[in-house]
Amino acid sequence: EAGVAQSPRYKIIEKRQSVAFWCNPISGHATLYWYQQILGQGPKLLIQFQNNGVVDDSQLPKDRFSAERLKGVDSTLKIQPAKLEDSAVYLCASSDDRGSTEAFFGQGTRLTVV
Amino acid sequence: AQKVTQAQTEISVVEKEDVTLDCVYETRDTTYYLFWYKQPPSGELVFLIRRNSFDEQNEISGRYSWNFQKSTSSFNFTITASQVVDSAVYFCALSEAGRGADGLTFGKGTHLIIQP
Repeated sequence: EAGVAQSPRYKIIEKRQSVAFWCNPISGHATLYWYQQILGQGPKLLIQFQNNGVVDDSQLPKDRFSAERLKGVDSTLKIQPAKLEDSAVYLCASSDDRGSTEAFFGQGTRLTVV
Repeated sequence: AQKVTQAQTEISVVEKEDVTLDCVYETRDTTYYLFWYKQPPSGELVFLIRRNSFDEQNEISGRYSWNFQKSTSSFNFTITASQVVDSAVYFCALSEAGRGADGLTFGKGTHLIIQP
């Protein structure tokens, strides 16, 4: 079974530029999460989708971050414009149900904003 | 609001020693799930265990064991006879199942170093 795929693996951009990350969850997984992991900290949930609907985006900085999962499969997370403090690893995870099962994580995209 | 505290930032032991990683959580829900994940240098989070709030039985899986105590809101993780390959950052996490959203709240992690 293929795991959660993310691209790119690494990205370096200048502040005020835009960037987008892509995630393809495990086939059949209805729930998709985006997490932000700043160096030395635990991952922080940004947004959760159930199929193509948003379940929780309470911690998403909506002035600059946006995410979509139009067809209920793969997802894109965008930052526009980026700030220095956005430097982090962005992790995508998926699960086949809410809460009761484990979430499978991708390898993440390491973003450096200079 | 839910919170997970891992007070140990870094632990260093010599191979074959036993080591316990502490996790204390806070939640208002009566139904919740607790998790442990391992993050090796490659960066991918690897699932280790999930425990629901109604199951306080301790669990053993090979060299790994977990001690869940609701009375102290703790979910500690012990590695017996540690090996160099156990070196990683370990995260404890909490998910509240009483509402529709169930994203994980992670602790800050404990960096475990196993010296040969």
